[in-house]
Amino acid sequence: AQSVTQLDSQVPVFEEAPVELRCNYSSSVSVYLFWYVQYPNQGLQLLLKYLSGSTLVKGINGFEAEFNKSQTSFHLRKPSVHISDTAEYFCAVSDPFTGGGNKLTFGTGTQLKVEL
Amino acid sequence: KAGVTQTPRYLIKTRGQQVTLSCSPISGHRSVSWYQQTPGQGLQFLFEYFSETQRNKGNFPGRFSGRQFSNSRSEMNVSTLELGDSALYLCASSLVQDGTDTQYFGPGTRLTVL
Repeated sequence: AQSVTQLDSQVPVFEEAPVELRCNYSSSVSVYLFWYVQYPNQGLQLLLKYLSGSTLVKGINGFEAEFNKSQTSFHLRKPSVHISDTAEYFCAVSDPFTGGGNKLTFGTGTQLKVEL
Repeated sequence: KAGVTQTPRYLIKTRGQQVTLSCSPISGHRSVSWYQQTPGQGLQFLFEYFSETQRNKGNFPGRFSGRQFSNSRSEMNVSTLELGDSALYLCASSLVQDGTDTQYFGPGTRLTVL
């Protein structure tokens, strides 16, 4: 079974500063990795995903993430955040190779708070 | 293209009652998954349907059930509601079931059990 760890429950950062949200996963098989964002009173929106290929993945709104197989990490980064990036961010993993289909296992989330 | 819609958006029930939530996927999508989101347990997978068949199931009691219709719309049912069932229930749809396609989430149904 897979598990996802998001070490930081809250990350405060000033506007225009860079940010990194950390995600580590555990799995004995190859997996797909995802980052989702959730704004208040809304559903989840996909930021980016890693299926295979280049380990640096670029997503929407200027976010990117790097897959590191040896460290089983998939950290999310943005070089300069905006006040509108304030939201909760979830890292997720799926294992379609063992029949998991579209089932996602989520981390506990990181609340990003961008301050002026 | 219209997004994933969920009805109702808010629901208040009392313990012991049952409830049915509905999810209409994006047109053409055949996979529908359901998740429960609570402050204590986070986001947990309930089940996934593809072409009217349940393909995956999470670790929830049998009180939680679902189905998918031929037009891909899906419903989930919770019987004998408990206080702990209070949560945001999210539905997601995608084209295929192999995990490669983006899953699009609806806004959720917020269920409060009194």
